[in-house]
Order: sequence, then structure tokens, then C-alpha cells
Amino acid sequence: EVQLVESGGGLVQPGGSLRLSCAASGITLRIYSMNWVRQAPGKGLEWVSYISSSGNNIYYADSVKGRFTISRDNAKNSLYLQMNSLRAEDTALYYCARGVDGFDLWGQGTMVTVSS
Amino acid sequence: SYVLTQPPSVSVAPGQTAGITCGGINIGSKNVYWYQQRPGQAPVLVVGDDSDRPSGIPDRFSGSNSGNTATLTITKVEAGDEADYYCQVWDSLSDHGVFGGGTKLTVL
Repeated sequence: EVQLVESGGGLVQPGGSLRLSCAASGITLRIYSMNWVRQAPGKGLEWVSYISSSGNNIYYADSVKGRFTISRDNAKNSLYLQMNSLRAEDTALYYCARGVDGFDLWGQGTMVTVSS
Repeated sequence: SYVLTQPPSVSVAPGQTAGITCGGINIGSKNVYWYQQRPGQAPVLVVGDDSDRPSGIPDRFSGSNSGNTATLTITKVEAGDEADYYCQVWDSLSDHGVFGGGTKLTVL
């Protein structure tokens, strides 16, 4: 079965850090561009970051630039999001999603809660 | 930054046709993607590249895009179509993904 599975979410204090992971099964992640998309509780979808298949092209939403780092380990068939200097407004369900312009495969998400 | 505008809600009776719009400056020049998100579930791509349907998506779902408005059309609406729908584009000027605010489709 083709699927993406996120992990690494949890409760963290403001200013803290978390590292999210997205493990792929049934597909070879290295041939695909990947993204992180988040959804705050009761709110809409927000694109967070993109990484090309080679890892040479990386983009971030203005709201996370300088605090979040996207990366991939093609040998482990995995995608990551290192999140530093977390704020309350980063509280959201974080999805990994496959695609370049649009996103045709999504994981089920991992919840990040930033609160003291 | 590029902005996509969707109506917050659309209501339709079963068996009728629902149209959900997505407005953006010159959106007709961009590829538009539409996602369905049922409560408690991850989004699912229902229309890509303006009007392409992924495998497994019923042909009741279709898309169009011209000028400043893209539209997702759902014919013969069923109770199971009740969900939030989001449009999305890739803004090549900023290299950012952009989502509309979402439209809640209610089946009466």
C-alpha cells in the first residue's frame, strides 16, 4: 500500500524545538518533490515548505522561514521538518504531501502543540 | 503574496449541482488543484491541473479555470460529498504554495 506516515509531533513549550518525520512506504520517495502543509485547529490549510527530489531547491512560507528546515534522506525513504523557536501560532496538524505544483498523496498528519 | 478567495460555504440539495469558486488575479494562467477534506481526515486531491481527475475520483467532479476564477463543479451531489473543499496553486513568482480559505459544502 502506498502511504506516507508522519511522526514526531507532541507538546512543546514556546521557544522549543521538534523534528517531524515522514516515512514513505510503497513508493520511492527520492524521485518525488515533497512538501509540508499544516492546519491549525478549526482552520484552513497552509503550505509550509517544499523540497525538490534532489534536495537542491527548497522553499519556505514566510511565517516559518529562518525557523524551520526541511530535509530528506532518500536512503531512508524519509522526509523531515526541523522546527526551532516554536510559537503558539505554530500549533497545528502537520501533513507531508507529495508533489510539485499540486499534492496528490498526503499522510494522516502529526499534531504539534506549542504551549506553556 | 498571491491570494485565493473562496466562499466560506455552499449549500446544495442531493442530486443537484454544486459549484465552488476560487478567485485569484489571472488565476487562468495557473494550474489549479482542488482538495476534498472530510471531517477528521487528510485532504484528498479531487481535481488537478485545472480539470484532471486522479484515479478513483468520480466523474461527477470536474474543474474549469479562466480569467480570474476557477470553479469546482460537483454534479449529482451525494450526502458523502459533504466536506471542506480547498483550491490551491503554486505561485511561481514567490515559489510558494497557496491555498484558498476553504469552502464548506453542506448537502441539505
